[in-house]
Amino acid sequence: GQQLNQSPQSMFIQEGEDVSMNCTSSSIFNTWLWYKQDPGEGPVLLIALYKAGELTSNGRLTAQFGITRKDSFLNISASIPSDVGIYFCAAQNYGGSQGNLIFGKGTKLSVKP
Amino acid sequence: NAGVTQTPKFQVLKTGQSMTLQCAQDMNHNSMYWYRQDPGMGLRLIYYSASEGTTDKGEVPNGYNVSRLNKREFSLRLESAAPSQTSVYFCASSERAGPPGTGELFFGEGSRLTVL
Repeated sequence: GQQLNQSPQSMFIQEGEDVSMNCTSSSIFNTWLWYKQDPGEGPVLLIALYKAGELTSNGRLTAQFGITRKDSFLNISASIPSDVGIYFCAAQNYGGSQGNLIFGKGTKLSVKP
Repeated sequence: NAGVTQTPKFQVLKTGQSMTLQCAQDMNHNSMYWYRQDPGMGLRLIYYSASEGTTDKGEVPNGYNVSRLNKREFSLRLESAAPSQTSVYFCASSERAGPPGTGELFFGEGSRLTVL
């Protein structure tokens, strides 16, 4: 079945550094989304992308929907301690039911002050 | 502004016991979902309800049943719990099923279930 390959699995960085993570698949998708999960909480939507090639920012976060529609990346600039958490990519195709939304396995981000 | 509320937050069961996880949303969303999260596995869909009155299986439905009680509430039942069902369960909702904007899920805080 369809699956998303998210990398890296984990990152341990210094405060102030930039972060980059990505998600790839062998399947084509019409929607890419990025969620963040704080420890002990449910995931929260960060950025949603609906068009191939689209580049969208949300504060220090920037995400892009790959031109091939098979991948997406998320960048975080100038990381701060509250960026700690697990970041999930998710992807979906139009036309199907909401059951077609699938998630990557997550990138765990740790930030050293 | 509660969003998605799940109860209980923690539960310990013995193998073979049954229990129901409750979920309610106050955003007038049409679609609701139950996911489980296991270490290294990400989020996997158990069941979903695209609209009131409908339910469908997701990726890992075995051992679970669901009820869409009304537009607000969607419960998940374990009839005979097994250790393999030890997990963190998340309920989520979205405004509608269909394109676009349907991937924008709002999650509850999770229910941590341990089956001994």
